[in-house]
Amino acid sequence: GAVVSQHPSRVICKSGTSVKIECRSLDFQATTMFWYRQFPKQSLMLMATSNEGSKATYEQGVEKDKFLINHASLTLSTLTVTSAHPEDSSFYICSAHRDPTEAFFGQGTRLTVV
Amino acid sequence: DAKTTQPTSMDCAEGRAANLPCNHSTISGNEYVYWYRQIHSQGPQYIIHGLKNNETNEMASLIITEDRKSSTLILPHATLRDTAVYYCIVRPPTGANNLFFGTGTRLTVIP
Repeated sequence: GAVVSQHPSRVICKSGTSVKIECRSLDFQATTMFWYRQFPKQSLMLMATSNEGSKATYEQGVEKDKFLINHASLTLSTLTVTSAHPEDSSFYICSAHRDPTEAFFGQGTRLTVV
Repeated sequence: DAKTTQPTSMDCAEGRAANLPCNHSTISGNEYVYWYRQIHSQGPQYIIHGLKNNETNEMASLIITEDRKSSTLILPHATLRDTAVYYCIVRPPTGANNLFFGTGTRLTVIP
């Protein structure tokens, strides 16, 4: 079946540094990918919609300059957390749709900012 | 806003059927019912979806009431690996739109 691969699965970074997370659709093309964030014991919250070849759409309250999204190809979207701080520590998850009815999720990235 | 309501948690004995209910009384005529689950520290996993007919696959069965205002996900023989948070989501069939995750049901399968 379709697979969405996310890398890295875990990352620890120092406060003030930037971290890039990759999301790849392995056997299908995705013009749209979604980035979610999940804090402990909470549900997934949509952060932004990544559109191939155009600017991402951010949800209210999500800083676009802090969470940079690039969707340069039909199989890759990246999320860069810039100048990370401890409050950015979270579980980040991407998803892509093979067709309008099928959404597949990456394995998630556990970000810890120390 | 969540269009579904689910119990916060449920327990199920290993080997028994797990029946997870979901209310979606405001579902629109063209919206599908989707079920995903999330095992701890992993991304959500697709389970099954349906419109109005009951559906079955290798993982589970989905029973949708005739008025479509509620549904039940059935795991016929729960195993310890089925312990997860189960999300019931309604969404229209067209457009690559995002999924809205409510609080889900935390299913614990007990040995």
